[in-house]
Formats: sequence, structure tokens, C-alpha cells
Amino acid sequence: GEDVEQSLFLSVREGDSSVINCTYTDSSSTYLYWYKQEPGAGLQLLTYIFSNMDMKQDQRLTVLLNKKDKHLSLRIADTQTGDSAIYFCAESIYNQGGKLIFGQGTELSVKP
Amino acid sequence: NAGVTQTPKFRVLKTGQSMTLLCAQDMNHEYMYWYRQDPGMGLRLIHYSVGEGTTAKGEVPDGYNVSRLKKQNFLLGLESAAPSQTSVYFCATLELGQGDNEQFFGPGTRLTVL
Repeated sequence: GEDVEQSLFLSVREGDSSVINCTYTDSSSTYLYWYKQEPGAGLQLLTYIFSNMDMKQDQRLTVLLNKKDKHLSLRIADTQTGDSAIYFCAESIYNQGGKLIFGQGTELSVKP
Repeated sequence: NAGVTQTPKFRVLKTGQSMTLLCAQDMNHEYMYWYRQDPGMGLRLIHYSVGEGTTAKGEVPDGYNVSRLKKQNFLLGLESAAPSQTSVYFCATLELGQGDNEQFFGPGTRLTVL
């Protein structure tokens, strides 16, 4: 069945790069997304990648997709304390009503 | 434009009580979703709708019912609340085929069942 896995915690120092990893099982994914959730708030779309792409860069964010290994990563350059949040990876499955399968979320803690 | 709104923001229920959560959107999106979020488990899909008058089950539908009588509203009902339904509930909308197929999320409803 469909499954998305993430590590639960990541701690970095301010100014370092953060890399959050995600693996998924369904090879019929169409889009893969990264959402950010701050405490007590809803989900904010950060970036996405279409399944036929290998990489996408958007300012401080770089998404890498390895379709062979079904591995997705989000790199945040020059991480700031304001980046502290929970980051969710999600996949959209082809022809299933656009529904999203989410990972458990990675809590990113940025220390000054 | 308000986007996606959810009512209420917070609610405390006793076991066995019923309630309805309302999701409203002003973006004219066809698709709407209800998710629940529990610690360490990410978001799980409860029910969804691909258009007015239609509903379908997601991953965790038991104990919930939904209705989509109007395109702009998607209601989630709990007929007899249980402590296991304590969670944060998020509604989302989507217009499939537009750009990146982004789902837009509401701010959430925090529900506690005692």
C-alpha cells in the first residue's frame, strides 16, 4: 500500500544547511510536496516537485527526487531560527481524487 | 477572499455526544478533504469529496460521516464521539489540474473528547 516515511527530529545550528529526508512506496506518484507547519497553525505549502523532475530550486530551498530509490529530500540553505517547525512530505497519487498521503513529519529545531 | 475557513476552532465534547464540523471555501474548488492530525502520525485522510453531492472514504473513515450538499461547504459529523477522536481536524480544498495541484488547508479545529 501507500506509505510515506520521515525521520522524526532534526537539530541544526543557525546558518547551517538542513536536509530533511522522505521515502515513499507508490511509484505512481504524480506530485511530491513539502509542507511546513508552525505550532498551532495549519499547513503551508513550501514547494513541490513533479514526478518527472530530479531537482527543483526555489530560493533557499532545494528539492531532490531519486525516483529509483523513491527518495525525496528538502535542503534548506542558511537555516534560520524562523525555520523551526514541523515539515511534512506528501505524495499525490495518480487518479485517486487528488488525495495526499503524508509522512509523520520531521520536527526541525534551529539553535542560535 | 477568506480562502478555507473552519468552524469551530476549538471544542470539548463528552463521550457519546455528537457534533458537526464545518468547512467553507470561497475558491470554487471542486475537491474537498477532511484530515485528522495526531502526534507523530502526520495527517490521515478521513473522507473526501470530488464535487457537490459526492463523498468517498479515506484511510480512517470509521466513526465519521460527511456531506457535501453545497459546493462551498463540506461537513464532518461525529455521531457518538469517543476519546480516540481527540485530534486536530484539517479541511483542505483542491482544483485538480490547476498548476501544481496544491491543496489549500484551513486553520484546523482542535477537538477534545473526554
